[in-house]
Amino acid sequence: EVQLVESGGGLVQPGGSLRLSCAASGFIFSDHYMDWVRQAPGKGLEWVGRTRNKANSYTTEYAASVKDRFTISRDDSKNSLYLQMNSLKTEDTAVYYCVRGGSIIPPPFDCWGQGTLVTVSS
Amino acid sequence: DIQMTQSPSSLSASVGDRVTITCRASQGISNYLAWFQQKPGKAPKSLIYHASSLQSGVPSRFSGSGSGTDFTLTISSLQPEDFATYYCQHYKNYPLTFGGGTKVEIK
Repeated sequence: EVQLVESGGGLVQPGGSLRLSCAASGFIFSDHYMDWVRQAPGKGLEWVGRTRNKANSYTTEYAASVKDRFTISRDDSKNSLYLQMNSLKTEDTAVYYCVRGGSIIPPPFDCWGQGTLVTVSS
Repeated sequence: DIQMTQSPSSLSASVGDRVTITCRASQGISNYLAWFQQKPGKAPKSLIYHASSLQSGVPSRFSGSGSGTDFTLTISSLQPEDFATYYCQHYKNYPLTFGGGTKVEIK
C-alpha cells in the first residue's frame, strides 16, 4: 500500500524556519517526481514545488510565492522528501501535503499524504 | 501563468442526480488536466488524470472529458459519499495551478 506520512509541522514565528518531512512507503520512491501542495485555512489548493527523480537529476521547480525561501530535497536511501522553509510569513500558514507524481511524464498527482499544519504567528 | 476557472463554485444536488462541473484554462493545456475530491478535514484524493483517465479504484460513475481549454467532470449518479469539494488542476507547465473548487452539497 502506498503511504505518504508528513511530519514537522507546528507553530513558528514570522521570519523563522521549519523543516517538513515526508516518509514514503509501498512504492519505489526513487522512480517518482514528488511535490508539496499547501492549503491555507478555508482556502483552495496551492502548488508549492516539485523535485524530479534521479533519472531527471533531482531538479526542482517552485511557485513564485515561495521561490528563494523554500527548498525541496529528497533522500532516496531513506525514502524521504523534505521541505525546508525559511523566512516564513504569516501567509505561509497552511496544511502542507506531500504528493506523489505518477509514473508517466508529465506526471499527474496520484497519491497524497494526510498533511501537516504549519502556523506562522507571533 | 495558466489560470484555471471552475464553475459553479457550489451546487446543491440530490442523491441519484447527474452532476457536471466545468473547468476552463486560460490557455490551451492539451489534456494535461486532473480532478481531485476533498472532504472536510481530509486530504485531497486523486480522481482523474489526462482529462479522462480514472485513477485506480475510482468508481466508474466519475468521468472526465475535454481538451484544450474546456473540461468537465461528471458524476453520473450522485452518491452520499460524493458530497465534497472538487478541484481541477493543470500540469502542462510550471507553475501547476488549481481551480478555485466546486463544493457539492446535499439538496
